[in-house]
Amino acid sequence: DAGVTQSPTHLIKTRGQQVTLRCSPKSGHDTVSWYQQALGQGPQFIFQYYEEEERQRGNFPDRFSGHQFPNYSSELNVNALLLGDSALYLCASSLAGPGGNTIYFGEGSWLTVV
Amino acid sequence: QQQVKQSPQSLIVQKGGISIINCAYENTAFDYFPWYQQFPGKGPALLIAIRPDVSEKKEGRFTISFNKSAKQFSLHIMDSQPGDSATYFCAASMSFGNEKLTFGTGTRLTIIP
Repeated sequence: DAGVTQSPTHLIKTRGQQVTLRCSPKSGHDTVSWYQQALGQGPQFIFQYYEEEERQRGNFPDRFSGHQFPNYSSELNVNALLLGDSALYLCASSLAGPGGNTIYFGEGSWLTVV
Repeated sequence: QQQVKQSPQSLIVQKGGISIINCAYENTAFDYFPWYQQFPGKGPALLIAIRPDVSEKKEGRFTISFNKSAKQFSLHIMDSQPGDSATYFCAASMSFGNEKLTFGTGTRLTIIP
């Protein structure tokens, strides 16, 4: 049973460029959330997608956008990259509905902006 | 505004000892409190979680103690082992699963022989 998979694992971008990160949720999961984890900090919630729509959004600018596909996979797009966007970007998946659903995280995509 | 405060920032414990990490939250609407373990270069992995209707939950060497009136919860690692050396994050959310997790700032735990 594949867990949450993310790609790429590492990438380097130049300030002002755009980046797309990809995520496949754990098998059977239909909800994908994205988090940003700066070095030495806890993950910060960016947004969540369910049924191909953004359900919740954290305190991140509109430069951060996302998409969820019919197969539940998801993309995170960041435009006009800033040096401060350098971080580990984590994808998390879960199954919608009540009952104590566990949130699983992927290994993350390390983004360095130079 | 940080809604989940975690302490200590770092912790060194001798092998076989008890590691204790504390968290406090502000939002009384939180009703799900997980702990995640993260090794360098890896994503966070769920360790154990608790709901506010119980005061303690134990899974193997890991125990969560929860104090609803004080809005505090803690992780106890019994018989700490070198393999437990990692960063631990407490988190909170308003319901199971689909609500966003608010994380603490993390505790870097080192177990020495």
